[in-house]
Amino acid sequence: GIQVEQSPPDLILQEGANSTLRCNFSDSVNNLQWFHQNPWGQLINLFYIPSGTKQNGRLSATTVATERYSLLYISSSQTTDSGVYFCAVYDASQGGKLIFGQGTELSVKP
Amino acid sequence: DTGVSQNPRHKITKRGQNVTFRCDPISEHNRLYWYRQTLGQGPEFLTYFQNEAQLEKSRLLSDRFSAERPKGSFSTLEIQRTEQGDSAMYLCASSRGTGITGLNTGELFFGEGSRLTVL
Repeated sequence: GIQVEQSPPDLILQEGANSTLRCNFSDSVNNLQWFHQNPWGQLINLFYIPSGTKQNGRLSATTVATERYSLLYISSSQTTDSGVYFCAVYDASQGGKLIFGQGTELSVKP
Repeated sequence: DTGVSQNPRHKITKRGQNVTFRCDPISEHNRLYWYRQTLGQGPEFLTYFQNEAQLEKSRLLSDRFSAERPKGSFSTLEIQRTEQGDSAMYLCASSRGTGITGLNTGELFFGEGSRLTVL
């Protein structure tokens, strides 16, 4: 089945810094989502992005499906951005379900 | 609040007991998914439904696990004869989907999860 790899696995930032999280996937996908998992475990939707670029406030995402990767940009990071960021892809050959990467754990220090 | 609702949020049980989790999806969503997440890992797919039909089950879903969605609305996930290895967060999600093959799926939205601890 499709493999989803996220990098880096861990990231420590000073408040105000920018960062880029990467998601590579091993095969063609129908779609892709980015999530932020809060300290209580809930997955918060950030982007639903099969291709192209989307922006939402300080966050933006770009998916280049032909090259099998997606990037999540966080600008002017805040302590509330801390948590785990997951990339998940839809694989047409595996039906209509999301396959998750292992996540990037972000810690933003004040 | 019209998001995905899960209960109970926390369950502590002794090994060998049965537990049941409930998920109420977003009302207009016809697809419902169950995932399991252990510490430090990404969520792993367990099973999903389109309306009342269970379209796919992961090999992670042993014979002790059963999921139902009898009227195409809420779903239950039951674990029989729990083991310590079943301790995890059980996540439910819903989406709009089209087609009988399950290939066309809209954005998934997750509930807050049900955390199971087996002593």
